[in-house]
Amino acid sequence: DAKTTQPNSMESNEEEPVHLPCNHSTISGTDYIHWYRQLPSQGPEYVIHGLTSNVNNRMASLAIAEDRKSSTLILHRATLRDAAVYYCILRPNSGGSNYKLTFGKGTLLTVNP
Amino acid sequence: GAGVSQSPSNKVTEKGKDVELRCDPISGHTALYWYRQSLGQGLEFLIYFQGNSAPDKSGLPSDRFSAERTGGSVSTLTIQRTQQEDSAVYLCASSFSSGGTDTQYFGPGTRLTVL
Repeated sequence: DAKTTQPNSMESNEEEPVHLPCNHSTISGTDYIHWYRQLPSQGPEYVIHGLTSNVNNRMASLAIAEDRKSSTLILHRATLRDAAVYYCILRPNSGGSNYKLTFGKGTLLTVNP
Repeated sequence: GAGVSQSPSNKVTEKGKDVELRCDPISGHTALYWYRQSLGQGLEFLIYFQGNSAPDKSGLPSDRFSAERTGGSVSTLTIQRTQQEDSAVYLCASSFSSGGTDTQYFGPGTRLTVL
């Protein structure tokens, strides 16, 4: 399975943008890039996903490198509620057991008031 | 709308006892998943249901673990003769189908502590 690499932790100030990087150099052409986050004492929560083009939704933006070997999750204005562990994962579009979510250690985001 | 719910939220049990964990998925979601998360660890897949059948039970760690789903809705994860290494947060998720782009919606989890 293709692996992802994320920094263990990052820190931000409230109301400032946050850029969370993810490296996935072994990504295959059919892998979607998904981001989930997990707030303290809660279940994981879907954030965003994309394939090749940059994506925006109400929670965040996802910038995908042209060669797809890396991506960046962008929180435009961090709030205290955004403090969480952020997971970047790859999911094949079809076949095999693509329903299995495999989370690594993720990035622990701390937001300072 | 209502999300995925799980009960109980916390369960403390003694080693050797049986426990049942319940999951109520989002209405209309045909796919249901159980995962567990040990302290400081990532997510560990346990089992996947499509409707009432479980095409993938590969993640169940031993034959002490079993799960069922009835009416294409509620699911129960049963752990028999619990051991201390079973202590973890057990998470249930559901999705509309099981494709690679389908969002999985998670419940809040059941924290199991085996003394």
